[in-house]
Amino acid sequence: RKEVEQDPGPFNVPEGATVAFNCTYSNSASQSFFWYRQDCRKEPKLLMSVYSSGNEDGRFTAQLNRASQYISLLIRDSKLSDSATYLCVVNSFQKLVFGTGTRLLVSP
Amino acid sequence: DTAVSQTPKYLVTQMGNDKSIKCEQNLGHDTMYWYKQDSKKFLKIMFSYNNKELIINETVPNRFSPKSPDKAHLNLHINSLELGDSAVYFCASSQESGVLTDTQYFGPGTRLTVL
Repeated sequence: RKEVEQDPGPFNVPEGATVAFNCTYSNSASQSFFWYRQDCRKEPKLLMSVYSSGNEDGRFTAQLNRASQYISLLIRDSKLSDSATYLCVVNSFQKLVFGTGTRLLVSP
Repeated sequence: DTAVSQTPKYLVTQMGNDKSIKCEQNLGHDTMYWYKQDSKKFLKIMFSYNNKELIINETVPNRFSPKSPDKAHLNLHINSLELGDSAVYFCASSQESGVLTDTQYFGPGTRLTVL
């Protein structure tokens, strides 16, 4: 079983749609969780950290369920510029472990 | 004023050759990393250095040798390149190691193609 698992997608949505990505992780001792965004042929960039209580940053909401070892990212009112790959990232044994990413395509 | 820079951006070479990739960060961070992203887009840590000292080595073949002349630089030397080494290599840095709430800042990547 992979340490961090994500649905690879792609998710094809129209502008304005709400879309949710899920991620599961295997190391129950993990303490830090993140979502990174990677555009095509570019480097990953931090989108947001994920806190136990859940957190929101504009149109983006991240949630953590420690009991189920599950992380989610909700994007509301999708923009064309949201098209990218979203990487779920978990700290495991003092290093960051990246999921393979979920690809999002937002169309006009 | 790029925060994390890598050279070269593209590297095409023959099997068996030796090559180096350079990385520099101007963020004043203590910790630097090398990651490999393969053709399936799986991004995996290779090495981590904190203040020039190796702290993570993820079962990478010893053909790969990182070198950190100072805390702002972490170079990657690869001996006897193999076809399977073809990938995008990302350098990254963060303020501290072990504090994994710190954001990691990635360089633009080096696309290595081994023929």
